Amino acid sequence: EIVLTQSPGTLSLSPGERATLSCRASQSVSSRYLAWYQQKPGQAPRLLIYGASIRATGIPDRFSGGGSGTDFTLTINRLEPEDFAVYYCQQCGSSVITFGQGTRLEIK
Amino acid sequence: QVQLVQSGAEVKKPGASVKVSCKASGYTFNGYYMDWVRQAPGQGLEWMGRINPNSGATNYTQKFQGRVTMTRDTSISTAYMELSRLRSDDTAVYYCARLVTLYDVFDIWGQGTMVTVS
Repeated sequence: EIVLTQSPGTLSLSPGERATLSCRASQSVSSRYLAWYQQKPGQAPRLLIYGASIRATGIPDRFSGGGSGTDFTLTINRLEPEDFAVYYCQQCGSSVITFGQGTRLEIK
Repeated sequence: QVQLVQSGAEVKKPGASVKVSCKASGYTFNGYYMDWVRQAPGQGLEWMGRINPNSGATNYTQKFQGRVTMTRDTSISTAYMELSRLRSDDTAVYYCARLVTLYDVFDIWGQGTMVTVS
């Protein structure tokens, strides 16, 4: 199965700054099957980005995704207070879904 | 609106079984695969498998083969996940999630069901 490694584990930033989160795959992943989710405490995950770069319905344009092959990024411009949460990448390869271990974005 | 509503929290003894339900509304139940994902306390997300509500066909990840059974009742638009021979490390929040097959992503999630094994 494909292992996704996210970095950094924790990112400390201030509102208004830009966050760049990384997701590295153990083998090449089709961009079509790479997604990002946001999870806040006590809540289910929320789909942010799919197809590596397509924003889900209702997701603000300060969120953007990119990358290909084994390296993918989630960028959040002009951080808002509600953006501080845990972010997961997810892929599907050979009908097996795996998630990264998550990046915690915290207020500095 | 489109939503998935799960059954309530459970407390089970080691060795017992638990069955969690997930009722769909606001969309055609048969039109989307239903997956199950769990999250141990303070940990990340772990995919368990899926069911095709149309055919009943299932696909379980190897880790849970032999212990998990996913079923559905199309008459009430409800999916079920049963996990047997529970251990303490099965303590987790269990989520059902609707799969969008074109991209293999989860666009709708249930609220989660806390299962405590103790």
